[in-house]
Amino acid sequence: SQQGEEDPQALSIQEGENATMNCSYKTSINNLQWYRQNSGRGLVHLILIRSNEREKHSGRLRVTLDTSKKSSSLLITASRAADTASYFCATAPLSSGSARQLTFGSGTQLTVLP
Amino acid sequence: DAMVIQNPRYQVTQFGKPVTLSCSQTLNHNVMYWYQQKSSQAPKLLFHYYDKDFNNEADTPDNFQSRRPNTSFCFLDIRSPGLGDAAMYLCATSMRGGRGFVQPQHFGDGTRLSIL
Repeated sequence: SQQGEEDPQALSIQEGENATMNCSYKTSINNLQWYRQNSGRGLVHLILIRSNEREKHSGRLRVTLDTSKKSSSLLITASRAADTASYFCATAPLSSGSARQLTFGSGTQLTVLP
Repeated sequence: DAMVIQNPRYQVTQFGKPVTLSCSQTLNHNVMYWYQQKSSQAPKLLFHYYDKDFNNEADTPDNFQSRRPNTSFCFLDIRSPGLGDAAMYLCATSMRGGRGFVQPQHFGDGTRLSIL
């Protein structure tokens, strides 16, 4: 079963607006990561937030983590058409194996209209 | 630039005809992963190698095998592809993190497999 579930499944906004995506997960985590996937391409790592962090910024990205609610959000400010992509959260449970593999959420398809 | 390269980008095979997908990396990462991703779904981990140590996911069909002859290369073999195996196959790499820390993964652009 999916460790992470994302909300909404699809989001359509105008260029310049902010986009917020949410991720919920079920078990205690080592850290939580967000990835972007352009159509027909591989995933690209965006940002990592550790379990003892509450907020992290990287450029136009802001990630929050609430371990008590087992949820995270990704905010993209001042969106651009080039931000159109699928966004996935990925978690690594504390009890994962020797290579600490990630489990990906179901993803949010973001469309930014010019 | 250090990267993960998958070949070919598109692969067409016939129902039941064995096919091999390849992945190479110049990152010198000790972990390599294979994921299956179907349309509009999350990537699903099939298996991974930590160095030469192979780790199979419990629900990965026996039809799927993997080889890692050296640090740089990893192969996905599908012995008898069925129509349900049509998907994007993604290779990823990472370094094993210390003290349980999970490092980010670096992905190739995938191979899209079609079954006729």
